Amino acid sequence: NAGVTQTPKFRVLKTGQSMTLLCAQDMNHEYMYWYRQDPGMGLRLIHYSVGEGTTAKGEVPDGYNVSRLKKQNFLLGLESAAPSQTSVYFCASSLRAGADNEQFFGPGTRLTVL
Amino acid sequence: AQTVTQSQPEMSVQEAETVTLSCTYDTSENNYYLFWYKQPPSRQMILVIRQEAYKQQNATENRFSVNFQKAAKSFSLKISDSQLGDTAMYFCAFMKPRWGSGNTPLVFGKGTRLSVIA
Repeated sequence: NAGVTQTPKFRVLKTGQSMTLLCAQDMNHEYMYWYRQDPGMGLRLIHYSVGEGTTAKGEVPDGYNVSRLKKQNFLLGLESAAPSQTSVYFCASSLRAGADNEQFFGPGTRLTVL
Repeated sequence: AQTVTQSQPEMSVQEAETVTLSCTYDTSENNYYLFWYKQPPSRQMILVIRQEAYKQQNATENRFSVNFQKAAKSFSLKISDSQLGDTAMYFCAFMKPRWGSGNTPLVFGKGTRLSVIA
């Protein structure tokens, strides 16, 4: 049982390049989330999904797109990377919504946009 | 909007001593959940402890306990018998009972960096 995994762990992009971050979970969780963590700040929600084939905007969705074609995978895309998107990105999953359903986090992806 | 404030950016404690990390929050909700997450240098976010607002009894998990003061909207974390492995960033977080698109389920504080000194 690997829990929540993220690939890649590190990435450097040039402004304007595109990339996709992959999150995978093997816990059969319905809900999946993408957060970003910036220095001196807590995590902020980018997008989330409440089940296969669904996505919804979080707190800071601009500049990102997501897809959930399979229940176990949640992809985060940057179509045209900007330096403001330099951050550490965390994926999380939970069985359902509600605080009695713990969110399990992946190890994070450090992205630098030059 | 809900906010979470951690007023101590950095703290240090001697090994085996006790340390308390502060957290205050602002909400108009009556029922909600509060969490403390630990983020060691490995970056992994680990749930340390959770508290349900409708429960008066303070949550405890081994060496970790909370002091939940609902009227004061305060949620501090006490770490007893501090160990070197407790060195990490600690985030306080508030979860809304209801949330939806354009919103966020978990509101995080900015974190407190705790160093345990041998």
